Amino acid sequence: DTEVTQTPKHLVMGMTNKKSLKCEQHMGHRAMYWYKQKAKKPPELMFVYSYEKLSINESVPSRFSPECPNSSLLNLHLHALQPEDSALYLCASSQADGNQPQHFGDGTRLSIL
Amino acid sequence: GQNIDQPTEMTATEGAIVQINCTYQTSGFNGLFWYQQHAGEAPTFLSYNVLDGLEEKGRFSSFLSRSKGYSYLLLKELQMKDSASYLCAVRVLSNDYKLSFGAGTTVTVRA
Repeated sequence: DTEVTQTPKHLVMGMTNKKSLKCEQHMGHRAMYWYKQKAKKPPELMFVYSYEKLSINESVPSRFSPECPNSSLLNLHLHALQPEDSALYLCASSQADGNQPQHFGDGTRLSIL
Repeated sequence: GQNIDQPTEMTATEGAIVQINCTYQTSGFNGLFWYQQHAGEAPTFLSYNVLDGLEEKGRFSSFLSRSKGYSYLLLKELQMKDSASYLCAVRVLSNDYKLSFGAGTTVTVRA
């Protein structure tokens, strides 16, 4: 078990559906991240929030929409996804100081039909 | 961008030692992390190096040479549970939050 909790663990959705991935941490971290990971590949950064403000958007398509309602929560809203978006979506958090490691959740395995 | 290279796969015997090398080419280097990831699980933090030298944590050690753009992760007294993917990740001065990951090294420990 990790200290970063992600729900759901698995999600299957059609290309016309709207769903959301959720991430929660109670370590007092002020930086939170979304990553996408394909099988046998390293995690790819999608978004970073620092002090609840979007700090980095790695040119992610608009069908992915992040939201940080407060310092403990991070959401990723999904709409009109494509089959190639099927992947493991990892949330991570860290202290705002970049010297500190990022702590990852177990991820949501997303399948787009 | 950052160019980070690691071997794809390594195999070793239980109780042995394995060294996973990571080379990087980047401007504004500001730290290197090692993560372990078991299949289907989250990456877990192993070590962090920003200055030259060796950091030791139990059976795991990590070394950094900034001048050579080189790091290694040393796993001693290998156990079956050490079979996993090991990811090298580099941070640069221009962005504290962004980690650039290598492709990962899959280590298989055999009895």
